[in-house]
Amino acid sequence: DAKTTQPTSMDCAEGRAANLPCNHSTISGNEYVYWYRQIHSQGPQYIIHGLKNNETNEMASLIITEDRKSSTLILPHATLRDTAVYYCIVNIGSGANNLFFGTGTRLTVIP
Amino acid sequence: EAGVAQSPRYKIIEKRQSVAFWCNPISGHATLYWYQQILGQGPKLLIQFQNNGVVDDSQLPKDRFSAERLKGVDSTLKIQPAKLEDSAVYLCASSLVGLGNGLTHFGPGTRLTVL
Repeated sequence: DAKTTQPTSMDCAEGRAANLPCNHSTISGNEYVYWYRQIHSQGPQYIIHGLKNNETNEMASLIITEDRKSSTLILPHATLRDTAVYYCIVNIGSGANNLFFGTGTRLTVIP
Repeated sequence: EAGVAQSPRYKIIEKRQSVAFWCNPISGHATLYWYQQILGQGPKLLIQFQNNGVVDDSQLPKDRFSAERLKGVDSTLKIQPAKLEDSAVYLCASSLVGLGNGLTHFGPGTRLTVL
């Protein structure tokens, strides 16, 4: 069973920030929040992950609420190449537990 | 580092035929996964290996699907005989074990069409 809830689809104007929400109200204390994306005809690609602190890397920022029941992935300046399905996944991250994918959010970046 | 390699990238077969997919994980990754992704859905785990042992194959249709990971490195997934509903992308992934925040890396997938 998916432990996350995401909107089915979102649009974002090119150059603007894309904010993708995710609810994970039953997350356990030792579970991380992972974000992957899947561009058409490619395998899922890792974006970012976090436990309880906000995280930033060259691709995106991850904002996790204090109660850890929800998070937001932020793509600061969306480009057409960011059009993809974005998956929010909770996992203990030991490298020995499979990732459970829901249906994700289909983000369309509009010129 | 080199990514997860898969072959072939595309395969078209007729129902009741057999097919095999090959995966070479990232060097040093003990855990290897095979996922099935049907059009419009997220990937679903078929089988998970740790080194050359099976950790989870509860979702693998064992009457027609089989997988092996020889010497704990490369892996092969076979379907025999194929059905129309097996049309999907088959994704191989690998990860390190033991890290507090291990990452799973995916290959490009093999797109199977069963006619």
